[in-house]
Amino acid sequence: AQKITQTQPGMFVQEKEAVTLDCTYDTSDQSYGLFWYKQPSSGEMIFLIYQGSYDEQNATEGRYSLNFQKARKSANLVISASQLGDSAMYFCAMREGLANFGNEKLTFGTGTRLTIIP
Amino acid sequence: KAGVTQTPRYLIKTRGQQVTLSCSPISGHRSVSWYQQTPGQGLQFLFEYFSETQRNKGNFPGRFSGRQFSNSRSEMNVSTLELGDSALYLCASSLVPVGAGHNEQFFGPGTRLTVL
Repeated sequence: AQKITQTQPGMFVQEKEAVTLDCTYDTSDQSYGLFWYKQPSSGEMIFLIYQGSYDEQNATEGRYSLNFQKARKSANLVISASQLGDSAMYFCAMREGLANFGNEKLTFGTGTRLTIIP
Repeated sequence: KAGVTQTPRYLIKTRGQQVTLSCSPISGHRSVSWYQQTPGQGLQFLFEYFSETQRNKGNFPGRFSGRQFSNSRSEMNVSTLELGDSALYLCASSLVPVGAGHNEQFFGPGTRLTVL
């Protein structure tokens, strides 16, 4: 079974509109973390936002917010007021395991290619 | 503060050769992780080093190895290259290990390896 599932291989969104990128995950750990990264065409991965499994409030970072629904095991990224510079690949990732045990790992989804249309 | 640097940025090798990639983390960061990115397999975790010790390893053959030096710089080595090793190799650094809660990883620009 896939640990991280991103069902939207590509999306086209009009500039200034809000966009939601889907991410569902599968884990039996109680403690885990969810990350979103952006990868422009230059190739460098850029951290966007983090949500811990015990965080009660949804994470927000500027125009980015994470819609965390623990029971549904989903962690969707919402970008408000999209800009042309938001065009990129977006990856959802999950950290499982605990540092104390040295068994932690980071698993990435297959990504969603977002294109903002002027 | 300088970001994560990776050298070389581009590399072309032939099958059977070996290659060494280098990663210099952000100053003060002690954790370095390596990832392989290919169109078919996506982003896959290779291994993580923290304070010169390998903490975790992904599902890659023993041809893939790495090490970390006392200054936290890390190298990754791939021996007996195969065509399927062609990929973008990304290095990421962080203050503490991957599993330590809200641990943001900062990625380098990657090394694009082409095996002919």
